[in-house]
Amino acid sequence: GIQVEQSPPDLILQEGANSTLRCNFSDSVNNLQWFHQNPWGQLINLFYIPSGTKQNGRLSATTVATERYSLLYISSSQTTDSGVYFCAVVAWETSGSRLTFGEGTQLTVNP
Amino acid sequence: DGGITQSPKYLFRKEGQNVTLSCEQNLNHDAMYWYRQDPGQGLRLIYYSQIVNDFQKGDIAEGYSVSREKKESFPLTVTSAQKNPTAFYLCASSGRQGALGEQYFGPGTRLTVT
Repeated sequence: GIQVEQSPPDLILQEGANSTLRCNFSDSVNNLQWFHQNPWGQLINLFYIPSGTKQNGRLSATTVATERYSLLYISSSQTTDSGVYFCAVVAWETSGSRLTFGEGTQLTVNP
Repeated sequence: DGGITQSPKYLFRKEGQNVTLSCEQNLNHDAMYWYRQDPGQGLRLIYYSQIVNDFQKGDIAEGYSVSREKKESFPLTVTSAQKNPTAFYLCASSGRQGALGEQYFGPGTRLTVT
């Protein structure tokens, strides 16, 4: 099945810093989503981005489907950005909508 | 308010007992999913259903069962056959069938079996 690798596994920032999170996947995809898991476990949808670039406030994401990677940019980070960021994909050959998750990037933003 | 609800938030059971986790959505979504998350790991798919009265096994279906009798409800039963049931369980739904639907998640149920 498709493999999803996220890097870095852990990231510690000072408030106000910028960061880039990366997601590599091993095969063509129909669907790619970025999520933020807060300390209570809730998964919050950030982007649905199988290709192209999207922006939402301080966050933006780019997926280059032909090169099989996606990037999540966080600018002017805040302590509330802390948590785990997941990338998840649906492989091109999959008949259903089975999301395969990466292991996540644990982000800590210090005041 | 539209959304996905899961109950209870925390659940404790003794080994050997079956337990059913509830998932309800009022988003009028066709597809629903159950995922399991272990500490420090990503989510893994247990079962999914793209339409009422139909469901498919995911990657880790052994020891679990589901039903989809109503569009808005997709309960998950963790049976005594599940070797390591203690985990965080998340339910999701999608408004489109197939691979193109964006999935939205409920708040999760933390199950502890001792």
